[in-house]
Amino acid sequence: EVQLVESGGGLVQPGGSLRLSCAASGFTFSDQWMIWVRQVPGKGLEWVASVNPDGSGKYYVDSVKGRFTISRDNGKNSLYLQMDSLRAEDTAVYYCAGAKGWGQGTLVTVSS
Amino acid sequence: EIVLTQSPGTLSLSPGERATLSCRASQSVSSSKLFWHQQKPGQAPRLLIYAASSRATGIPDRFSGSGSGTDFTLTISRLEPEDFAMYYCHQYGSFPLTFGQGTKVEIK
Repeated sequence: EVQLVESGGGLVQPGGSLRLSCAASGFTFSDQWMIWVRQVPGKGLEWVASVNPDGSGKYYVDSVKGRFTISRDNGKNSLYLQMDSLRAEDTAVYYCAGAKGWGQGTLVTVSS
Repeated sequence: EIVLTQSPGTLSLSPGERATLSCRASQSVSSSKLFWHQQKPGQAPRLLIYAASSRATGIPDRFSGSGSGTDFTLTISRLEPEDFAMYYCHQYGSFPLTFGQGTKVEIK
């Protein structure tokens, strides 16, 4: 069974940092592109970042470029999102996802 | 950027009826790299269809996807009570990846 389990969300002040993690199981993680998607409660889905299977290719939505960094550790079957210089508009539920499915999401709240 | 426009915004149907959801892209989606996802209130999205027409593992065969280029369709042949939800199309053929705004399938 495919499982994607996010962790690391929480409340952070504007300008702060947070690191999200996603633990994958039930599929060959190292074969898959992985992405982070966010959703403001009650709104639609927004792609945030993607990483290719070996981690050498990384892509970001313009609004997070220079602030967020996606990475992966194929030895640990894990995906990460380092979020720096956080803004109120980054408040959302963050999901890790791939062609095998979605995680349950972790809430990030940026507020003073 | 590829803009995905879903129609209708809301589809009001009864259980047992057929649902046809449309997703139109502003430019051709490379290699039919299009997903369909289902999301119920308070839950994470669930992958239904990948590569425009292939059902994900465990997805019932009443769900089918079709289309290529700029026009894609998700069909639910006979609506079950658990199918009333929001549906999103999502292209992964070119960056930035984009999602449609969603179609809500509600009980009539």
